[in-house]
Amino acid sequence: EVQLVESGGTLVQPGESLRLSCAASGFSFRNYAMNWVRQAPGKRLEWVSFITPVSDTIYYADSVKGRFTISRDNAKNSLYLQMNSLRDEDTAVYYCAREGDISAYLGMDVWGRGTTVTVSS
Amino acid sequence: DIQMTQSPTSLSASVGDRVTITCRASQSISSYLTWYQQRPGKAPQLLIYAASSLQSGVPSRFSGSGSGTDFTLTISSLQPEDFGTYFCRQSYSTPYTFGQGTKLEIK
Repeated sequence: EVQLVESGGTLVQPGESLRLSCAASGFSFRNYAMNWVRQAPGKRLEWVSFITPVSDTIYYADSVKGRFTISRDNAKNSLYLQMNSLRDEDTAVYYCAREGDISAYLGMDVWGRGTTVTVSS
Repeated sequence: DIQMTQSPTSLSASVGDRVTITCRASQSISSYLTWYQQRPGKAPQLLIYAASSLQSGVPSRFSGSGSGTDFTLTISSLQPEDFGTYFCRQSYSTPYTFGQGTKLEIK
C-alpha cells in the first residue's frame, strides 16, 4: 500500500525549533518529488516547500524561507522539515504529499494524514 | 505570487444535482491546475490534474475544464460522499498557491 506517515508534531514555544519527518512506503520514494503543505485551523491549504528526487531543486514559501529547511534521505525513504524560529502563525497541521512529477503538473497524488504543530507560549 | 480565487465559498446541493465550482487565477497558468477534495479531519485527495484529467480511481462524475485563468470543477450528479471542501491549486510557478476552498454541503 502506498503510504506517507508524518511524525514529530507537538506543542512548542515561539522561537523554538522542531523537526518533522515523513516516512514513505509502498512506492519508489527516490523517484518522486515531495512537498510539505500546511493548514492552519479553519484556513486554506498553504504550500510550504518542494524538493526534487535528488534534492537538486528546492523551493520555499516566502513565509518560511530562511527559517525552514526541507531535506530527504532516499536510503531511508524519508522526508524531513526542519523548522526553526517558530512563530504563532506556524501553528497548523503539516502534511507531506507526493508530487506526481517534478514539474508539478500531475498534482499531489498521495498525502499523509498530517501531524499537528502548535506554537504557543 | 499568483492568487487563486474560488467561487462560491460555500454551497448546499441535493443528491443528483449538477454542481459547478470555479477557480480563477490572477494571471495565466496554462493548465497547471489541480483540484482536491478534503473531507473533515482528513487529508486532501487529488481529483483532477492538468486542469481536465481525471485522477485514477476518481469517479467519472467529476470533471474539470479550463485553461489560462479560468477553470471549472463539475460534479455531474452529486452523491452523499461528495461532501467536504474543494480546493484548486496552481503549480505554474512558485509559490504554489491554493484557492480559499469551496465548502460543499449535501442537503
